[in-house]
Amino acid sequence: GAVVSQHPSRVICKSGTSVKIECRSLDFQATTMFWYRQFPKQSLMLMATSNEGSKATYEQGVEKDKFLINHASLTLSTLTVTSAHPEDSSFYICSARGETRGSPYEQYFGPGTRLTVT
Amino acid sequence: EDKVVQSPLSLVVHEGDTVTLNCSYEVTNFRSLLWYKQEKKAPTFLFMLTSSGIEKKSGRLSSILDKKELSSILNITATQTGDSAIYLCAVEASGYALNFGKGTSLLVTP
Repeated sequence: GAVVSQHPSRVICKSGTSVKIECRSLDFQATTMFWYRQFPKQSLMLMATSNEGSKATYEQGVEKDKFLINHASLTLSTLTVTSAHPEDSSFYICSARGETRGSPYEQYFGPGTRLTVT
Repeated sequence: EDKVVQSPLSLVVHEGDTVTLNCSYEVTNFRSLLWYKQEKKAPTFLFMLTSSGIEKKSGRLSSILDKKELSSILNITATQTGDSAIYLCAVEASGYALNFGKGTSLLVTP
C-alpha cells in the first residue's frame, strides 16, 4: 500500500510555544489531506480537510487560527499548533488521498504524532 | 448530522471464538464504509465497502455492507490474541473525509 509519513512521531513542548507537524505522502501525489485528532480512549475526530494549493476547510469547533494548516505541495501538508496549551495534548493523525498504483483514490493514514504540552 | 455508531463498545472473547462487530450509519451522500484496526498507533486499513463491493474477505476477516439497513458487520473467525485491538468503522461521504465511530475494543484472551 501507499506510504504516508509523519514527523515528528512524538513531541513534548512547553505551554505557549508552537509546534509544527509534517505529513508526507511518499510514493503518490495526495490531492487531499486530512488532519484528525484522537484523545485517549476516543475515536478519531476530523479537524480539517486540505486540498493542495487552497485554504483548508475546518470542522466546526476547530479554531483555524490555532491550528494552521498548509498544503503547499501534492506530497506535503503541515499542521502548526500555535500557542499550545495542555488541553491540546493529543494524538494527531494525518491521512492522504490520491491515486496510487494499486488502488485509485484510497485514503492512507500516517503513523500519527503524539503531542504533549507541559 | 452524519453519525456512525459501533457496537459493542468492548468485547472479551477466548482464542478460537468467532466475533461479529457492528457498525450502523446515517450519512448523506454515502461513498464508502471502511474498517480499520488500531493497535498502539494509527489505524491500519482492513476493508473498503462500496455499492459495487458489498462483501470483502481476507483470511479470517470478512465484512459485509447492507446498504438497505445502513449497516455493516466485521467478522473475525478463529480469533487469536494478536487480533486484540480497537476496530474502527468509518464512513466516507461527500468531501471524502472519514466520519469515525467510537470503535469496538476487542480483547482476545489465551
